[in-house]
Amino acid sequence: DAGVIQSPRHEVTEMGQEVTLRCKPISGHNSLFWYRQTMMRGLELLIYFNNNVPIDDSGMPEDRFSAKMPNASFSTLKIQPSEPRDSAVYFCASSPRWGRSTDTQYFGPGTRLTVL
Amino acid sequence: SQQGEEDPQALSIQEGENATMNCSYKTSINNLQWYRQNSGRGLVHLILIRSNEREKHSGRLRVTLDTSKKSSSLLITASRAADTASYFCATGSGGGADGLTFGKGTHLIIQP
Repeated sequence: DAGVIQSPRHEVTEMGQEVTLRCKPISGHNSLFWYRQTMMRGLELLIYFNNNVPIDDSGMPEDRFSAKMPNASFSTLKIQPSEPRDSAVYFCASSPRWGRSTDTQYFGPGTRLTVL
Repeated sequence: SQQGEEDPQALSIQEGENATMNCSYKTSINNLQWYRQNSGRGLVHLILIRSNEREKHSGRLRVTLDTSKKSSSLLITASRAADTASYFCATGSGGGADGLTFGKGTHLIIQP
């Protein structure tokens, strides 16, 4: 199994530009999570999906952030327009079964975003 | 705000020694998990303990949970250089496949 796949691994962009991060969860997993990691705030949950449906987006910092999951094998996190304070490592994680909070979450390698 | 708070923030020990990390949390939980993150990599699940459990073992790992004190500890015995990483506790509140709330982590350095 290839694990959770994220692309790109690194992204450098200028303030005001649109950024799209992509995630392919592990096949058969029903839950998908987006996290952001910074030195100041640690790991923060942004949004999660169960069976492709957004369940909780209360962690999305601003309207500039949006996430979609058009099918079970693909999700995107978009920032438009991007700002320097959005610089962070963004992780996608998936989990096998919806409705089981005790399930292990499997993390992707992350996308390191730098907004100049 | 962070649910879990790890202590210490950084720990440096000699190879072969035991390493103990602590985690405190604020609200009721369904389970508590420990993850490891190597530099520049994603997180890897280590062990999960449920709220009705007090202790759990997995290889060289031992986790304890005290729900009355809202705290957990992770013990790594006979440490190895490869254990150098950041360790995070994460809590799940239950009621569905909810996201986890992570602490800021303990950075562990094993000196050869």
